[in-house]
Amino acid sequence: RKEVEQDPGPFNVPEGATVAFNCTYSNSASQSFFWYRQDCRKEPKLLMSVYSSGNEDGRFTAQLNRASQYISLLIRDSKLSDSATYLCVVNLRNKLTFGGGTRVLVKP
Amino acid sequence: NAGVTQTPKFQVLKTGQSMTLQCAQDMNHEYMSWYRQDPGMGLRLIHYSVGAGITDQGEVPNGYNVSRSTTEDFPLRLLSAAPSQTSVYFCASSRQGKSESNYGYTFGSGTRLTVV
Repeated sequence: RKEVEQDPGPFNVPEGATVAFNCTYSNSASQSFFWYRQDCRKEPKLLMSVYSSGNEDGRFTAQLNRASQYISLLIRDSKLSDSATYLCVVNLRNKLTFGGGTRVLVKP
Repeated sequence: NAGVTQTPKFQVLKTGQSMTLQCAQDMNHEYMSWYRQDPGMGLRLIHYSVGAGITDQGEVPNGYNVSRSTTEDFPLRLLSAAPSQTSVYFCASSRQGKSESNYGYTFGSGTRLTVV
């Protein structure tokens, strides 16, 4: 079993719609969690950290469920520019483990 | 403030050649890491460093060496290139904090390496 698993997608999303996807992690000792965004052939960029209480950044909402060991990301009012691959990242003792990414395609 | 700078951006090597991928950051970050990204595999940790003079192995260290003589620089050396090392390599850095901190890593723009 992979340490961090994501649905690879693609999630085809109409512009303006809401999309949500999850990530599961296997190591219960994992300490901190992130969502990164990666555009084609570019470097990953930090989208947001994920806090136990859940957190929001504009149209993006992240949730963490430690009991079930999953993280979620919800994107509201999707824009064409949200098309990208979203990487779930788990930190344990300053070593990051990446999921394979979920591809999101926002269409007009 | 340039962030994380990687050079070269593209490189073609012949099997058996050696080379060094350069990574420099100007943010005074303690933590630096090297990842490789292959289709269908996601990013995998090669080596990492928690400060000058301290390095450790990640998930896929074989065939690579690192050193960290300064806070700013973290070069990755390929000892004898193999076609299996064809990949995109990313360097990343982060400021020091407790392990449970939510400081994210900043990535360089990557080096696309082809070994023929």
